[in-house]
Amino acid sequence: DAGITQSPRHKVTETGTPVTLRCHQTENHRYMYWYRQDPGHGLRLIHYSYGVKDTDKGEVSDGYSVSRSKTEDFLLTLESATSSQTSVYFCAIRRDRGSGNTIYFGEGSWLTVV
Amino acid sequence: GQQLNQSPQSMFIQEGEDVSMNCTSSSIFNTWLWYKQDPGEGPVLLIALYKAGELTSNGRLTAQFGITRKDSFLNISASIPSDVGIYFCAGDSGGGADGLTFGKGTHLIIQP
Repeated sequence: DAGITQSPRHKVTETGTPVTLRCHQTENHRYMYWYRQDPGHGLRLIHYSYGVKDTDKGEVSDGYSVSRSKTEDFLLTLESATSSQTSVYFCAIRRDRGSGNTIYFGEGSWLTVV
Repeated sequence: GQQLNQSPQSMFIQEGEDVSMNCTSSSIFNTWLWYKQDPGEGPVLLIALYKAGELTSNGRLTAQFGITRKDSFLNISASIPSDVGIYFCAGDSGGGADGLTFGKGTHLIIQP
């Protein structure tokens, strides 16, 4: 258990509406990530955070914004959802395992934009 | 950007068979990771490799970090029905901020 909770787990929304996905962690990790997963593309990094109020863009950041006002919460916002943003979204944290650190994933948020 | 080539894309095997899959990269990674994903769930870490040449086992799973740091393989011995799923390799440059680069997955299907 990586101590990651994503909400909502499933959401259907209309094109043009704003959507916010929340990632909550219980272990005080510095690095947090948002990925999306699509058939044929695998997992792709949207945005990441390296501390409170410290965020940066990943590979597929267009149309998304993020915020991290507290260590434990990392929010992903779609300002105006489009059908191309229908996807599964995974939050992840980087955890030190002693011999090295690695990334653990949440259970995912399924978003459908109609 | 960095790309990982994971093969095969899918495997149809019979229960009890051994399985082998691999990933190759055009770039060097400091860490190689293998994940398994079941339908409707997030990727679950199976094995993490931190040193070139490292060979690590986790039950019936064995993975190796290639000497060149550009490749890794995962073997599953004596497959069982619960091994069905999608297996992903991932490379980590170790910078912390960049996250992982993923392969596109190997879909393992076990025929009765």
